[in-house]
Amino acid sequence: DVKVTQSSRYLVKRTGEKVFLECVQDMDHENMFWYRQDPGLGLRLIYFSYDVKMKEKGDIPEGYSVSREKKERFSLILESASTNQTSMYLCASSLNRGGNTIYFGEGSWLTVV
Amino acid sequence: GQQLNQSPQSMFIQEGEDVSMNCTSSSIFNTWLWYKQDPGEGPVLLIALYKAGELTSNGRLTAQFGITRKDSFLNISASIPSDVGIYFCAGQKGGVILTGGGNKLTFGTGTQLKVEL
Repeated sequence: DVKVTQSSRYLVKRTGEKVFLECVQDMDHENMFWYRQDPGLGLRLIYFSYDVKMKEKGDIPEGYSVSREKKERFSLILESASTNQTSMYLCASSLNRGGNTIYFGEGSWLTVV
Repeated sequence: GQQLNQSPQSMFIQEGEDVSMNCTSSSIFNTWLWYKQDPGEGPVLLIALYKAGELTSNGRLTAQFGITRKDSFLNISASIPSDVGIYFCAGQKGGVILTGGGNKLTFGTGTQLKVEL
């Protein structure tokens, strides 16, 4: 079974803090993704990576950065957290081959106060 | 960024009823996926569709890939309490050969399903 693990399920951070959300997958997938989920807006792509050290902006990259130093790990960084970044963050991964589906982690609930 | 139009936004149905929801897009997708998300969890894949016109079942769930490749439908027959959750459609532009971000998904806004006993 594919396993995508997000290190923190629930976090509370203060405005201006630097926040790291970590994600690890154990299936040697090339692609990794970070989404955020907000009520009524569905899932929106923040960043994705299709190889080590490669990254591309998704639909809402502002205020975020990412790091992919190893194939199995994809980190989402909030350089200076703001209250409008309070959300559920979902990491996902997939193989780089057609017809392959994307597998999600359980999500990280971030509250910025 | 683009999002898919998913309807209805929410449904409150009786146990045993059939459920239908759909997803439409202004652009073409080569793959359509349906996910279910339980409260506090990440989405889990229910059905994947790879060909226009394809009709695929998974137990009580049936999904169809629209002929125009711009829409998809999900039906749940004889709903039960554990069907409660949020259902998301997702479109994927990548085909057989993927480059770069060809695998990234565009999601619908979700359909919240509540089942009354």
